[in-house]
Amino acid sequence: DIQLTQSPSFLSASVGDRVTITCRASQGTNRYLTWYQQKPGKAPNLLIYDTSTLQSGVPSRFSGSGSGPEFTLTISSLQPEDFATYYCQQLNNNQYTFGQGTKLEIK
Amino acid sequence: EVQLLESGGALVQPGGSLRLSCTASGFTFGNSAVSWVRQAPGKGLEWVSGISGSGSRKYYADSVRGRFTISRDNSKKTLFLQMNGLRAEDTALYYCAKISGRDGNILGDLDSWGQGTLVSVSS
Repeated sequence: DIQLTQSPSFLSASVGDRVTITCRASQGTNRYLTWYQQKPGKAPNLLIYDTSTLQSGVPSRFSGSGSGPEFTLTISSLQPEDFATYYCQQLNNNQYTFGQGTKLEIK
Repeated sequence: EVQLLESGGALVQPGGSLRLSCTASGFTFGNSAVSWVRQAPGKGLEWVSGISGSGSRKYYADSVRGRFTISRDNSKKTLFLQMNGLRAEDTALYYCAKISGRDGNILGDLDSWGQGTLVSVSS
């Protein structure tokens, strides 16, 4: 089974900072990755699909890049509403795999 | 606006059964694949199961295959998850999520989520 490992698991940053979250797949054959944002007590929200395509309504400060096995989510200038937990996800052989999550906290 | 409303969560003893429901609105339910994803308290996301728009194709995580059954009633715009042989490790908030279907495949990214229903397995 494919595993997704996010780094870091915890990230402390300030408003206005540029941050990058990495997601590494245990197998590198799939070039597509999805990112979700989850705020405390809320359901996850789709941010980016097909590695780099922003879901409708997602601010342009979010961007995604990469190809198997390493992918990145970048927030160019953190805003107060961006402090949340971020999950990467990949679909392989009709099985979804999620990363363990990266919790982004206010410094 | 897409809305997904889960129900049926409860406290159940190990070995017991439970049936979750998810009622959909705001999109053509019968044309959309849907999925269940769970989140144990304080933990990350775990995909559970998915089903095609017609209901003919079903997919399961290894952790639930043989114990859980996904189904749907398109006339009632409702998704179900029948859970048998429940274990303590099945304790989680269970989300219903719509699959985007943007690329024509049955499974794909999850573009709308409900707020979840809580299942607790404990004696």
